[in-house]
Amino acid sequence: DQQVKQNSPSLSVQEGRISILNCDYTNSMFDYFLWYKKYPAEGPTFLISISSIKDKNEDGRFTVFLNKSAKHLSLHIVPSQPGDSAVYFCAARATNFGNEKLTFGTGTRLTIIP
Amino acid sequence: DAGVIQSPRHEVTEMGQEVTLRCKPISGHNSLFWYRQTMMRGLELLIYFNNNVPIDDSGMPEDRFSAKMPNASFSTLKIQPSEPRDSAVYFCASSPKGRSTDTQYFGPGTRLTVL
Repeated sequence: DQQVKQNSPSLSVQEGRISILNCDYTNSMFDYFLWYKKYPAEGPTFLISISSIKDKNEDGRFTVFLNKSAKHLSLHIVPSQPGDSAVYFCAARATNFGNEKLTFGTGTRLTIIP
Repeated sequence: DAGVIQSPRHEVTEMGQEVTLRCKPISGHNSLFWYRQTMMRGLELLIYFNNNVPIDDSGMPEDRFSAKMPNASFSTLKIQPSEPRDSAVYFCASSPKGRSTDTQYFGPGTRLTVL
């Protein structure tokens, strides 16, 4: 039972355009969401997060949007650069249990075309 | 400052053999996590420790898997006996203070192949 779903295994975007990566979740107890980025042969690295009390969080070229009613979040990258080519994982956590457990999606491979 | 260190980076073994994966968390971090990455299921949490105590091991697949954290700077994940379906990349991660909003910092992973 996949509680965090990334339905697009891969995405190709032209350099300079916007990349939009999507994530859906089913567990209504999740209230903190994160995106991690992973290059080949490396571990995932933290990119950006959002709490359920917000619907948007921005950090430079990266913006995460949260739609709680739809149980959906998305990561926007503008403008996309070749170095953004990586696998992106969406993750979620239920913080009110005081548990650090993160539930990850299966990832989306983003390829930026020069 | 050194990140999370994992060894070995690659392990190839035969079915039935014991496999031990090792992790050194970032110094001063209080929580340590073991994950497994597969194509089908993505990143799955196997177990995590806080202050060297196992907190959540609900992701450990079966009795063949065991994890220990004898001190704040070392943890092991053992598979005995190993099976081909255990082939995956295993990541160790650590986080600073044990708060539920803390960022987790991942090591480079161990790629395990069981023949």
